[in-house]
Amino acid sequence: GQSLEQPSEVTAVEGAIVQINCTYQTSGFYGLSWYQQHDGGAPTFLSYNALDGLEETGRFSSFLSRSDSYGYLLLQELQMKDSASYFCAVAHGQNFVFGPGTRLSVLP
Amino acid sequence: GAVVSQHPSRVICKSGTSVKIECRSLDFQATTMFWYRQFPKQSLMLMATSNEGSKATYEQGVEKDKFLINHASLTLSTLTVTSAHPEDSSFYICSAPQPGQEGGNEQFFGPGTRLTVL
Repeated sequence: GQSLEQPSEVTAVEGAIVQINCTYQTSGFYGLSWYQQHDGGAPTFLSYNALDGLEETGRFSSFLSRSDSYGYLLLQELQMKDSASYFCAVAHGQNFVFGPGTRLSVLP
Repeated sequence: GAVVSQHPSRVICKSGTSVKIECRSLDFQATTMFWYRQFPKQSLMLMATSNEGSKATYEQGVEKDKFLINHASLTLSTLTVTSAHPEDSSFYICSAPQPGQEGGNEQFFGPGTRLTVL
């Protein structure tokens, strides 16, 4: 089976940097994805790591260590609009297994 | 990016009735689509994988006779919640993988359907 762990909540102020961690246990692993979901909305894709290392996309970066079964999403220069839930997801063949989600609150 | 639509966005129905939710890929063909259910403040739980031209694959614990899935064409999958009960009230979301990369890394999600069963 698959299981993922994330912190349930994170709070930070505008302009700060925040890191959301994700650890996983899977029977098969293709890569780790990150999705953002605002209240009442659909998840939107942020990033994907198939190999170890850091992937940078604008203010967001994602890191993966396959040997540690660990990854994180790094959000820089936080803005109020970044307040949302963030999910890590493990690609397992065609399917995705989502983590429990981390609710990020950005304060002014 | 690829666009996935869902209809309706919200539905309220009486207990015992059936509700059909449509998921369409608007600018690409999707041989595979996924149906998720999300309860408030919880994660997305995969219910089933919809395969064009063949039977859907259901996740453990999901009743296939209650959640009927039909993938009639390369752009349309439907989920019918039969004999709905209040505990079926949830946010139902469909997704399709990145075109040409069915084993790939990105899913395109529909906007979701909020089902409320009275």
